[in-house]
Amino acid sequence: AQSVTQPDIHITVSEGASLELRCNYSYGATPYLFWYVQSPGQGLQLLLKYFSGDTLVQGIKGFEAEFKRSQSSFNLRKPSVHWSDAAEYFCAVGGSSNTGKLIFGQGTTLQVKP
Amino acid sequence: KAGVTQTPRYLIKTRGQQVTLSCSPISGHRSVSWYQQTPGQGLQFLFEYFSETQRNKGNFPGRFSGRQFSNSRSEMNVSTLELGDSALYLCASSPGTGSLGETQYFGPGTRLLVL
Repeated sequence: AQSVTQPDIHITVSEGASLELRCNYSYGATPYLFWYVQSPGQGLQLLLKYFSGDTLVQGIKGFEAEFKRSQSSFNLRKPSVHWSDAAEYFCAVGGSSNTGKLIFGQGTTLQVKP
Repeated sequence: KAGVTQTPRYLIKTRGQQVTLSCSPISGHRSVSWYQQTPGQGLQFLFEYFSETQRNKGNFPGRFSGRQFSNSRSEMNVSTLELGDSALYLCASSPGTGSLGETQYFGPGTRLLVL
């Protein structure tokens, strides 16, 4: 069965510190992986996606993610967190053509300490 | 281009009533998907429409239905509301070209509270 696991429900980091949010997936075919961010009361904004090619993907707002097929992981990283990064982050997997269906992880809430 | 818009943004209903939510996709997008977001179940896929046809459906009861119009706008309907239907309902649109890994663009959602 297709699934996405985000092991960390809640993470707190200090402003300026580095960040890594974990994502593991289970998918039978070639996965297409996404990271979205959701601020309170808002919809989801795409940060980045992995489609093919280079396994290190650059996104918006200084985020990057690395696809590791051997570990079935797609972890999100940022070298220096800003207070405005506080939000909920969702990893998602989609794959086949002719459908836009995404399977989401449970999300990780990021709190940033001043 | 304007983003995905959803109306209304907030809605309060009572058990047993029905509700209709509306979604206008990004101009030119032909595919619309709906998701339900709750604290307990997270983000769950409801259904997807492309060219006025349901292309995919999630594991929800028949009380949840939807449709898509010729201008790609979509509506979802929930009949006989239950307390557990209280959620944020998100609509997403994509170009619908059939490309692999097509990006979904999300609207701000409709917050439904069932009393």
